[in-house]
Amino acid sequence: AQSVSQHNHHVILSEAASLELGCNYSYGGTVNLFWYVQYPGQHLQLLLKYFSGDPLVKGIKGFEAEFIKSKFSFNLRKPSVQWSDTAEYFCAVDFYNQGGKLIFGQGTELSVKP
Amino acid sequence: DSGVTQTPKHLITATGQRVTLRCSPRSGDLSVYWYQQSLDQGLQFLIQYYNGEERAKGNILERFSAQQFPDLHSELNLSSLELGDSALYFCASSPRLADTQYFGPGTRLTVL
Repeated sequence: AQSVSQHNHHVILSEAASLELGCNYSYGGTVNLFWYVQYPGQHLQLLLKYFSGDPLVKGIKGFEAEFIKSKFSFNLRKPSVQWSDTAEYFCAVDFYNQGGKLIFGQGTELSVKP
Repeated sequence: DSGVTQTPKHLITATGQRVTLRCSPRSGDLSVYWYQQSLDQGLQFLIQYYNGEERAKGNILERFSAQQFPDLHSELNLSSLELGDSALYFCASSPRLADTQYFGPGTRLTVL
């Protein structure tokens, strides 16, 4: 079965530190890749997505992600985090043969200290 | 605001009861997805509808059912509720299959 794995359960950073959250997925076929963010008490919001083309994608709020096909990875990065980035981050994969449903990683809780 | 609406926002009910959660997709979106978010299971896909037809099923219990109506809104029916059904239920919609999904604010269900 297809699966998505996020390496870190909880990450604690100080403001201005750089961020990288790992995401790996199983399966070697065509995929659509997403990062969603969930601020405390709120719903999931799309940060960025990759369908095809340039493997380095830029999203909202200064986030970017790199798709490395050979490693089945789609890591999320931000050069300098802010306190307002405190949230839970979810990697999600649409495996084509699943008809569009998303398989989510376990989520990474990011805490940014002011 | 994603444009996806869900009602009610909160629901508190007792074991054995039946509830209905409602979702209105973004204008023009044909596909609706239901997900369950719980502390122990994380975010799990339940079921997908596309233009009124069931398209895919995930880890949805037999006590749960859903439908998508001609105006494209969807309802998720949960019956014979158990304590373990307490969770946040999200609806998402997308314009087409295998497209970006936009999530609603969720319905928090508490079963006492």
